[in-house]
Amino acid sequence: SQTIHQWPATLVQPVGSPLSLECTVEGTSNPNLYWYRQAAGRGLQLLFYSVGIGQISSEVPQNLSASRPQDRQFILSSKKLLLSDSGFYLCAAEVIANYEQYFGPGTRLTVT
Amino acid sequence: AQSVTQLGSHVSVSEGALVLLRCNYSSSVPPYLFWYVQYPNQGLQLLLKYTTGATLVKGINGFEAEFKKSETSFHLTKPSAHMSDAAEYFCAVSFSGYSTLTFGKGTMLLVSP
Repeated sequence: SQTIHQWPATLVQPVGSPLSLECTVEGTSNPNLYWYRQAAGRGLQLLFYSVGIGQISSEVPQNLSASRPQDRQFILSSKKLLLSDSGFYLCAAEVIANYEQYFGPGTRLTVT
Repeated sequence: AQSVTQLGSHVSVSEGALVLLRCNYSSSVPPYLFWYVQYPNQGLQLLLKYTTGATLVKGINGFEAEFKKSETSFHLTKPSAHMSDAAEYFCAVSFSGYSTLTFGKGTMLLVSP
């Protein structure tokens, strides 16, 4: 079965500081990978998805970026955080054969 | 474009009562439909999915949902609520599995003793 790891679990960062969130996947090869952000009352917003190493699609223009340096590693970054970047960030891996997305435990980011 | 509407941001039921969470979708092609559950400060867990075939699908924890094409609905039900069912529930749709998921805004289920 698939296991999605995310770290850190919680993070408090000042405005203007950089960000790096990491997601790693176990139990499947060549998954589609996703980054979502969840803000209170707004559901899940898809930020980025990747169908392979080095292949990143952005859904929402913003000051965030994503990279996929390895098949089962997905990184979310920012050079300068904004207050509006606060939220709960979720990484997901899709097993293509059954169309199911499996989610990690999430990272709670607070920008102060 | 595909979209998902979940009616009611909060639903309250008593323990033992029927749970009904509503989801309507719009899609120009046959949809793949999903229900996820999220407990506080955790990731999402898949409850059930509809891709093709039988329109009544059963999932984990006693939940089930029925795909009704004529009503563009995929409502989630459970005959008898447990306290442990209190969580947020998300409906999601994709275009026949070959596109990204679009999620509804979620429904918080509150269960009282």
